[in-house]
Amino acid sequence: SQQGEEDPQALSIQEGENATMNCSYKTSINNLQWYRQNSGRGLVHLILIRSNEREKHSGRLRVTLDTSKKSSSLLITASRAADTASYFCAGNAGGTSYGKLTFGQGTILTVHP
Amino acid sequence: DAGVTQSPTHLIKTRGQQVTLRCSPKSGHDTVSWYQQALGQGPQFIFQYYEEEERQRGNFPDRFSGHQFPNYSSELNVNALLLGDSALYLCASSFPGTGGVVRELFFGEGSRLTVL
Repeated sequence: SQQGEEDPQALSIQEGENATMNCSYKTSINNLQWYRQNSGRGLVHLILIRSNEREKHSGRLRVTLDTSKKSSSLLITASRAADTASYFCAGNAGGTSYGKLTFGQGTILTVHP
Repeated sequence: DAGVTQSPTHLIKTRGQQVTLRCSPKSGHDTVSWYQQALGQGPQFIFQYYEEEERQRGNFPDRFSGHQFPNYSSELNVNALLLGDSALYLCASSFPGTGGVVRELFFGEGSRLTVL
């Protein structure tokens, strides 16, 4: 079963608007990562936030993490049509979990030109 | 710098058959993980290979097996295929990390398996 749950499942916006996606997870994590996937192709790593961090920025991306609520959010500012994709959060528990990432079900983002 | 490469990209099998999928990791990476992604779902962890051994396994039956070669490339084998095995199979490579922590996975484009 999936550990993470993304909200919303689908998001449709106009170019230039901001897109916010939320993720909740169930077990303790060492870090939480966000990935992007274009139309059933491979996933691309976007950003990683450690459990002792609360906010992180990378270009137009801003990620927050609230470990007390077991939740994270991804904000894409000034969206572009090229941002249209599925976005997944994935938790890494560390320890004996080694390379296992537990993915959520994803948010499908559509950005209209 | 070659990224993660997977083959074949698409294949069709019938129930009961066996399939082998192949993966070459990104240059410099020695750890390979396999994920199954059903349509409309997030990827699910199958297993990870490091130093030619299975280091961690997800909740998949023994019909799913793998191998890692000395050059770090890897194979995923699925026996006795079921209709429910139809999915996109993703290979990801990484550095092994310390203390079980994985920092970033580099994914291939996947092998799409259809079981009829």
